[in-house]
Amino acid sequence: DIQMTQSPSSLSASVGDRVTITCRASQSISNYLNWYQQEPGKAPKLLIYGASTLQSGVPSRFSGNGFGTDFTLTISSLQPEDFATYYCQQTYTTPWTFGQGTKVEIK
Amino acid sequence: QLQLQQSGPGLVKPSETLSLTCTVSGGSINTTSYYWGWIRQPPGKGLEWIGTIYYTGGTYYNPSLKSRVTISVDTSKNHFSLKVYSVTAADTAVYYCARHFSSSWYSDYWGQGTLVTVSS
Repeated sequence: DIQMTQSPSSLSASVGDRVTITCRASQSISNYLNWYQQEPGKAPKLLIYGASTLQSGVPSRFSGNGFGTDFTLTISSLQPEDFATYYCQQTYTTPWTFGQGTKVEIK
Repeated sequence: QLQLQQSGPGLVKPSETLSLTCTVSGGSINTTSYYWGWIRQPPGKGLEWIGTIYYTGGTYYNPSLKSRVTISVDTSKNHFSLKVYSVTAADTAVYYCARHFSSSWYSDYWGQGTLVTVSS
């Protein structure tokens, strides 16, 4: 199975901060990398697919980058509604696997 | 607007079978570009892909669960279902159904989630 490793596992930030989350795959996954946001008690929400394509309706402050094994999710200016847990997922090959999550908390 | 509505019991006894259904509304499950799947999340933990089905019945399963899982589709009822056999406490989780786009396999629509507790 392809292992997905996110860093950091958690972070504290303030409204308006620029935040970057990293996801590393244990082998090359091309650009088959998706990012999800999950609020407590809710289903995950798709933010970015194909490593860098913004899902329809997602604010432009979210962006994704990367190819191969190293990927990033950036929030350019953190908003109150962005405090949540973020997961990366590879869909290059089955079994599709997720990172362990990054919890973004209020500083 | 597409909606996925999950149904099924929230409590299952050890060694019995967990059964959940996901009913699709606002669109047809008979769509060439999309697959339909199940993902679970143990309390306080991360996400695990269980398996995925096409409307024709073709399936993909996570090898870690394949021997105990069956996913099926009923196009006449526009729904798909999950069965997990011989459950243990380790199968306690929130179970989600989702739609996958076949080009990149991302999950763009999700059900509301069902907490299934395995306990006697």
